[in-house]
Amino acid sequence: GAGVSQSPSNKVTEKGKDVELRCDPISGHTALYWYRQSLGQGLEFLIYFQGNSAPDKSGLPSDRFSAERTGGSVSTLTIQRTQQEDSAVYLCASSLVARGNSPLHFGNGTRLTVT
Amino acid sequence: AQRVTQPEKLLSVFKGAPVELKCNYSYSGSPELFWYVQYSRQRLQLLLRHISRESIKGFTADLNKGETSFHLKKPFAQEEDSAMYYCALSGPGGGSNYKLTFGKGTLLTVNP
Repeated sequence: GAGVSQSPSNKVTEKGKDVELRCDPISGHTALYWYRQSLGQGLEFLIYFQGNSAPDKSGLPSDRFSAERTGGSVSTLTIQRTQQEDSAVYLCASSLVARGNSPLHFGNGTRLTVT
Repeated sequence: AQRVTQPEKLLSVFKGAPVELKCNYSYSGSPELFWYVQYSRQRLQLLLRHISRESIKGFTADLNKGETSFHLKKPFAQEEDSAMYYCALSGPGGGSNYKLTFGKGTLLTVNP
């Protein structure tokens, strides 16, 4: 079956512009995560969605970052007024259930470059 | 706070040599530990988890609670093992324990 799909795969934007990153999780997966992968920094947790529960936004680095998940499926991560330090690969992952030992299935990521 | 430390950013070995990727963690309680792998131009994927006590692609990892370690080992490295390896930790499940905390990764290169 189809895996986690992310778009666009690459995004180059000018500093100060807004960007939207999209994630389409595996069908039937109730949990959805966003991580940021920066060179030398590993994977940084950003936000988590589980069903209709309030999302865990504790990892969002600033109020310029927001995310939503519509209909329990597709998610959009929005970064407003982008800064150069936002340049990274943004990874989306989904899992069948919201348990620590449920494996995460990752998308290919969106490589964001802010010039 | 939970934390995962992978002390080696880079590790280079020759084909056929043993390999050990180190992972140490900090967690108050009984964690779940995982190794994820990212091969060149592929997506990040689960390699193995300690709860399964399995060997995947010849790799094994033993959870040592006394040393708070979860090192990944393979007795004879292959060139196709070259990849970025991430150690990850979560709580035992339920509540806010769903979050995986990742280490910074170790880039393994297996030379011919």
